[in-house]
Amino acid sequence: EPEVTQTPSHQVTQMGQEVILRCVPISNHLYFYWYRQILGQKVEFLVSFYNNEISEKSEIFDDQFSVERPDGSNFTLKIRSTKLEDSAMYFCATPWGGAGYTFGSGTRLTVV
Amino acid sequence: KQEVTQIPAALSVPEGENLVLNCSFTDSAIYNLQWFRQDPGKGLTSLLLIQSSQREQTSGRLNASLDKSSGRSTLYIAASQPGDSATYLCAVGSSNDYKLSFGAGTTVTVRA
Repeated sequence: EPEVTQTPSHQVTQMGQEVILRCVPISNHLYFYWYRQILGQKVEFLVSFYNNEISEKSEIFDDQFSVERPDGSNFTLKIRSTKLEDSAMYFCATPWGGAGYTFGSGTRLTVV
Repeated sequence: KQEVTQIPAALSVPEGENLVLNCSFTDSAIYNLQWFRQDPGKGLTSLLLIQSSQREQTSGRLNASLDKSSGRSTLYIAASQPGDSATYLCAVGSSNDYKLSFGAGTTVTVRA
């Protein structure tokens, strides 16, 4: 199974600060997704990205969130002004092998 | 909106016993169904992917069945081992946009 790499593995930030989470997906894939998992809760969809554009976003993905592909390979998820409730594991994912998903190892974001 | 439910929420068995994990979903118009394993604080490891046209998939000691018409999938783990202790997540892929809807997971403990 190919790998999806996420950095950093853990980020602690103060409330109100901006954070950028990075992901290097499986190369040459057009589809790309971000999910998050608040501790003890379900994994939930944030946003999908197709061919360098957002194709769908959830209610969670408000104006504080943005996603970009700054250099053609890496993807970033930016949270402009973090809130305590943004504390969660954030996963990026790409489809592979018949549209199953490969998930990255995740970034644990802690907002204090 | 797709709702995914996993029963039981937790399961504790002695080593060697077979495990049966259940997943149900409300919308049968699915693209695929994927089972993941998640260790505490870690990412999601794909175990099995079942396409909507398939009835089951097998990998080693793992077997997953899919009954799309009744909205059910079952993951069987034969001859459980302490290393199987983890949370198992069921995720249903939408036929419209391929994004995944997750269940809350079944946390398995295999006692040596």
